[in-house]
This record gives sequence, structure tokens and C-alpha cells, in this order.
Amino acid sequence: DAGITQSPRHKVTETGTPVTLRCHQTENHRYMYWYRQDPGHGLRLIHYSYGVKDTDKGEVSDGYSVSRSKTEDFLLTLESATSSQTSVYFCAISEGTGENEQFFGPGTRLTVL
Amino acid sequence: AQSVAQPEDQVNVAEGNPLTVKCTYSVSGNPYLFWYVQYPNRGLQFLLKYITGDNLVKGSYGFEAEFNKSQTSFHLKKPSALVSDSALYFCAVRTGFQKLVFGTGTRLLVSP
Repeated sequence: DAGITQSPRHKVTETGTPVTLRCHQTENHRYMYWYRQDPGHGLRLIHYSYGVKDTDKGEVSDGYSVSRSKTEDFLLTLESATSSQTSVYFCAISEGTGENEQFFGPGTRLTVL
Repeated sequence: AQSVAQPEDQVNVAEGNPLTVKCTYSVSGNPYLFWYVQYPNRGLQFLLKYITGDNLVKGSYGFEAEFNKSQTSFHLKKPSALVSDSALYFCAVRTGFQKLVFGTGTRLLVSP
């Protein structure tokens, strides 16, 4: 999976609790992305980063925040998890020109009870 | 807004037969188009992309895709399907600032 790891791989949590997912890359790529995958919706972009401390919102950013303090790490935080945030979360990286494909991590399955 | 559509939720094909997974796009300007495959419990894997040039793009695992500007389509094809090709396939288009918009996915089932 192109030098991308995600942790944890599985998590079960309760409504109202904070959750942080981590994406770590060893490719030194500039761009990093967080997606969620839900049946019938494909993949939807939550947030992305175009450099250290440079982030922006995606299509479904409500209820999520991100941080990137180092090139290799991109954190996704659910401040107060809700059942609607039960999903599979994927991190992706890209070298950054529009021609470059994105490479995906193995995913994190999050269940919010 | 840039978007892609995958009109088929599932495609069934017998092993050895040709397969086609359909994708149509809606963009302003020249499209950058991508195909990805997802095997169970795995992340997405890049298959191929169209940026410019030849309308027939060749990719990984024997897959190819045909870019058709007049029909705004970018269908994924393979001349002879394998059981191991059974997976979920996503079409995507670049939109705005280094971002991709994905279709809803097509499940390919290849029967022995």
C-alpha cells in the first residue's frame, strides 16, 4: 500500500467520545487526504492537506477536524463521534500535480455505537 | 461541478469473456480521469489514468480504458476476464485543487 499506514485499523467507540485516526506515510508526498467510504456513496473527501499545517475542507467535513504537524503524519479527529460517522476511513497521498494519482492506505473501520 | 457516474451497481461476466465497466463524466475543461480497484478489506489500488494523448489507455493487470470525448465516457475494459478480477471498481475525475471526485463504484463479479 505504497508506504502508507493507518492506525488503528479497527475501532469501536461510543457516541459522544472523541476519536483520532492516524495516517503515516514514508513517501514524502506533499498532499494527504482523508476519505470516508459508505455504501452507495463511493468515497467522499473529508479534508485534505497540501503541506505541513496547510489543510482545507472537503465535501463532507462537518464534525471532523485535521492536523498535520509533520510531512509524514495526517491526523483526523472526530471531536464527538456520532453514529452517522460509522464508516470506513481511508487516507491517501499524492505527489501533488494534477496528473498524479493518489495512493491509498489500508483503511480504518470505525463503528460508533 | 465536476462529477463522474457509474451507471451499473454490478456487472456479471463469465471467465474468459470480455468485460466492460462503464463511467461517464461531467467536467468543464479537459478531464483528468482515473480508475481504481478495491479488493475486499483493502484500500484502493490505482489501475490507470487518462491525462492527454492516445484515447486508449493501458494499465495494470491487463486492463485498459477508452476515453471518448464526444460521449463523455471513460469505460474500463479487459479482453478476457479472470475470476480474480472480481472486485469493486471506481472511476474518478480530478476536480479543482488536486482533488478527486469518485463515482459510487461498480461491483464486478466474474464467474468460473
